[in-house]
Amino acid sequence: GDSVTQMEGPVTLSEEAFLTINCTYTATGYPSLFWYVQYPGEGLQLLLKATKADDKGSNKGFEATYRKETTSFHLEKGSVQVSDSAVYFCALRGGNTPLVFGKGTRLSVIA
Amino acid sequence: GAGVSQTPSNKVTEKGKYVELRCDPISGHTALYWYRQSLGQGPEFLIYFQGTGAADDSGLPNDRFFAVRPEGSVSTLKIQRTERGDSAVYLCASSPYSGQGRDYGYTFGSGTRLTVV
Repeated sequence: GDSVTQMEGPVTLSEEAFLTINCTYTATGYPSLFWYVQYPGEGLQLLLKATKADDKGSNKGFEATYRKETTSFHLEKGSVQVSDSAVYFCALRGGNTPLVFGKGTRLSVIA
Repeated sequence: GAGVSQTPSNKVTEKGKYVELRCDPISGHTALYWYRQSLGQGPEFLIYFQGTGAADDSGLPNDRFFAVRPEGSVSTLKIQRTERGDSAVYLCASSPYSGQGRDYGYTFGSGTRLTVV
């Protein structure tokens, strides 16, 4: 079945550092890809999405590009802030199926 | 309402008891999803509704778990004879519709933290 694999955390960075969180997927067909974020004490929020190959999703300075050739959707941000500290989840949705999530990557940004 | 509302936010119950968890989706959202999130894990799919009917219940772990959505809006997840392994955060989400609109992300509630002692 469909699955998502993302890098294990926790990831600890200094403020203004560059962030990459790797995500690869296995799916039949052409899934839509998502990044969700869970801030401390809050619910899951959609961060960005891409629905077809080579699409780039972006929001709040975060970006991810749908790479079909490498089945990847890595999350990047050029300069992280303390307020970006959260758990990030990569997810996919293929066809008519519900979202499938990765295990999550905890990011801690220190000032 | 403005968002997906889940009640209660926390529930502590004794092993063997019955519990009900409620989800009130965004008005007009026809698709409703239940997920379970254990500590340190990603959300795991349980069941989803399109309107009043359960379109996919393949994620329900066993027959102690059941969910309903009688009027196509509010949904209740019901767990019978609770076990300590049922302890988790139960998440509800809704989206405008399922099927063709596969590029729609979901809007999640804040979850119900269930603890079985």
